[in-house]
Amino acid sequence: SQQGEEDPQALSIQEGENATMNCSYKTSINNLQWYRQNSGRGLVHLILIRSNEREKHSGRLRVTLDTSKKSSSLLITASRAADTASYFCATADVSGGYNKLIFGAGTRLAVHP
Amino acid sequence: GAGVSQTPSNKVTEKGKYVELRCDPISGHTALYWYRQSLGQGPEFLIYFQGTGAADDSGLPNDRFFAVRPEGSVSTLKIQRTERGDSAVYLCASSLTEHTEAFFGQGTRLTVV
Repeated sequence: SQQGEEDPQALSIQEGENATMNCSYKTSINNLQWYRQNSGRGLVHLILIRSNEREKHSGRLRVTLDTSKKSSSLLITASRAADTASYFCATADVSGGYNKLIFGAGTRLAVHP
Repeated sequence: GAGVSQTPSNKVTEKGKYVELRCDPISGHTALYWYRQSLGQGPEFLIYFQGTGAADDSGLPNDRFFAVRPEGSVSTLKIQRTERGDSAVYLCASSLTEHTEAFFGQGTRLTVV
């Protein structure tokens, strides 16, 4: 079963705008990871944030984690058409392994030129 | 190759048939994971290997599903008596250790007709 939920389910923006996706989860976690998927095939790892971290940056990506609210957000700044993809958050809970990941249903992002 | 390789990339089989899906992890990676992704959903964990042994097979849906990793490298996911509900993309991932980032392959799209 899915761990949590992403919202929105779909997001459509213009190039240059920022995109924010949110993720909620249910259990106590070891870490939370964000992935990108193009065309329903391979997953590309974007960023990992540990349960004792609150914010992390990687290039145009900014991830926040609020363990008290069991939620995370992914911000993509200055979006590009190439950012069009599905984005998933995935959690590794404290009882499972580091990469025994529980994924949400994803946010489908469309960036229009 | 540099990444996780999965073969075949696509497999169409008739209901009731047996199928094998292969995963070649990144060389030297000790941990290997299988996930299944149905259309419009996030990936769901199936099984995790540390070396040759299945450390956690709690995600296998029933006893028609079985996976092996006899030499601690290549893994095969085996599905007996396939059903139409088994149709999905089967994703494999590997990580250097169970505490480091997992890298995903492009997946095998299984269609049971």
